[in-house]
Amino acid sequence: QVQLVQSGGGLVKTGGSLRLSCAASGFTFSDYFMSWIRQAPGQGLEWISYISSSGGTRYYADSVKGRFTISRDNAKNSLYLQMNSLRAEDTAVYYCGRHPSGIDYWGQGALVTVSS
Amino acid sequence: EIILTQSPGTLSLSPGERATLSCRASQTISNNYLAWYQQKPGQAPRLLVYGASSRAPGIPDRFSGRGSGTDFTLTITRLVPEDFAVYYCQHYGNSPPFSFGQGTRLDIK
Repeated sequence: QVQLVQSGGGLVKTGGSLRLSCAASGFTFSDYFMSWIRQAPGQGLEWISYISSSGGTRYYADSVKGRFTISRDNAKNSLYLQMNSLRAEDTAVYYCGRHPSGIDYWGQGALVTVSS
Repeated sequence: EIILTQSPGTLSLSPGERATLSCRASQTISNNYLAWYQQKPGQAPRLLVYGASSRAPGIPDRFSGRGSGTDFTLTITRLVPEDFAVYYCQHYGNSPPFSFGQGTRLDIK
């Protein structure tokens, strides 16, 4: 069955960096576009980044552009989000998602807390 | 950038009633690339509808989506207790950012 298992969340200081990972199984990872979505405490969903199946096309929300980098390793069936220059407002649960038509499978979420 | 506005913000209904949720886009969504999700507390969202009107696999037929252009609707007929949750719409496809609406909370009356 399709699974997306996330790792890498945690507590980080303002200005620090963190890398999230999303390990995919149960489908041909290299065939699918993928996205990262986040949800601040008590708030709605925010799409933040997208990567094409080959990795050649990447999009970012303005809120993270220049600070976050999405990447993938199709040989390892893994998706990544490198987060730099973290701010308090980046505190959220981060989800990876498989993105064919809408996001049909979601990771379990990883809490990232940014604090001084 | 496409802005999605959902209404109402909160909808209070009783089990067995019909729920109608609206999602309005600030500009035309091409190819009806509009999805609906359900989210329960502490859980990841679940895809209900994609392409504005196609139910995702395993989604009960009491959930239906319709609409085109800028106006979209999710209807839930005959509400059951597990339907009370927060619902989001999202546009996807060729024109990022793939923004979400702010959500509609469906509460038990």
